[in-house]
Amino acid sequence: GAGVSQSPSNKVTEKGKDVELRCDPISGHTALYWYRQSLGQGLEFLIYFQGNSAPDKSGLPSDRFSAERTGGSVSTLTIQRTQQEDSAVYLCASSLDGGTNYGYTFGSGTRLTVV
Amino acid sequence: AQSVTQLDSQVPVFEEAPVELRCNYSSSVSVYLFWYVQYPNQGLQLLLKYLSGSTLVKGINGFEAEFNKSQTSFHLRKPSVHISDTAEYFCAVSDEGGGSEKLVFGKGTKLTVNP
Repeated sequence: GAGVSQSPSNKVTEKGKDVELRCDPISGHTALYWYRQSLGQGLEFLIYFQGNSAPDKSGLPSDRFSAERTGGSVSTLTIQRTQQEDSAVYLCASSLDGGTNYGYTFGSGTRLTVV
Repeated sequence: AQSVTQLDSQVPVFEEAPVELRCNYSSSVSVYLFWYVQYPNQGLQLLLKYLSGSTLVKGINGFEAEFNKSQTSFHLRKPSVHISDTAEYFCAVSDEGGGSEKLVFGKGTKLTVNP
């Protein structure tokens, strides 16, 4: 597609439920990133996929968070047993060939609210 | 580990006034530096980037930034702002040629341009 597409744009869930957030990167972009944007906290790195390499999961805040990327394209971020502190905007970005010198293209994000 | 400090969380200015948004970083290696802008209810958009060469970098919408290695700074400037520049601005850094291409972001500066 023309840009990075994320769905849903908004998600309200009850505490304790699992949620799945989807990211469809720009066609041909081999690198895909997930960030979390909380109020007043800036952007927090979560996970990075590059081609067929093992993902960099160093930013995942707990084992309730996981992500996968199927076929080198679409990615799903899963949060299990959601907590209120998980409420944030989850941003996905993709990059050509993984190099930050190309810059990232961000999606519009998924706003997650845990009630 | 890298870190980015944006010294001002909010900057109010009047239309047509000059503005400077400050960014300092820390890193033990050479870096790439970026400024992103997030307009209300939109995703992040790349404003400009410094990879190498001239320390004065020009970006979109009349913005420019200067890389100062001795002061580890990458301040963003615009000589005359417009109402439409109202947005949140994020400074980011990545390792030059590092194994992981993830960007580390500052907490953002909200620029409000008043008439």
